[in-house]
Amino acid sequence: DVKVTQSSRYLVKRTGEKVFLECVQDMDHENMFWYRQDPGLGLRLIYFSYDVKMKEKGDIPEGYSVSREKKERFSLILESASTNQTSMYLCASSPGTGGKYEQYFGPGTRLTVT
Amino acid sequence: SQKIEQNSEALNIQEGKTATLTCNYTNYSPAYLQWYRQDPGRGPVFLLLIRENEKEKRKERLKVTFDTTLKQSLFHITASQPADSATYLCALESNDYKLSFGAGTTVTVRA
Repeated sequence: DVKVTQSSRYLVKRTGEKVFLECVQDMDHENMFWYRQDPGLGLRLIYFSYDVKMKEKGDIPEGYSVSREKKERFSLILESASTNQTSMYLCASSPGTGGKYEQYFGPGTRLTVT
Repeated sequence: SQKIEQNSEALNIQEGKTATLTCNYTNYSPAYLQWYRQDPGRGPVFLLLIRENEKEKRKERLKVTFDTTLKQSLFHITASQPADSATYLCALESNDYKLSFGAGTTVTVRA
């Protein structure tokens, strides 16, 4: 079974702090994704990566950056956390890009920025 | 602009009945459409994928239809059980090969 793990289930940070969210997958998938999920808005793609050191902006990349130094690990970085980044963050991996590949999600990190 | 709309209201149904969820989309031409289940505080879990040339797909008590003319997918849970209570998300391929998700429909099955 594919397993996607995220470093924290719950995180509380202060405004202006640098925040690291880590995601690890164990199925040798090429593609990894970071989403945020807010009530009524669904999942919105922040960034995705289709290979080591490769990344592409999603729909809402502002205020975020990512790092993929190893195939199994994809990190999301909030350079200077703000209250409007309080959200549920979900990492996913997939063996390919596009609609014919299912995505495997981690349990999520609920981030609160105060 | 591209838009995915799911039932705007939560669905409350009696155990044993069929739940029908709707996913409508505009300005997409997806070759594939997916459905996921999400329990509170957890990540979504993949349920079914249907291709544009498939009218219907079944998996146990789940049935999905895909009408590219109407730009709509229907998701049915037959003989529903309280354990089916969750939020169900539809997802489809956007123009740049990424998955776009709907906001989801929350289903509550009463015993």
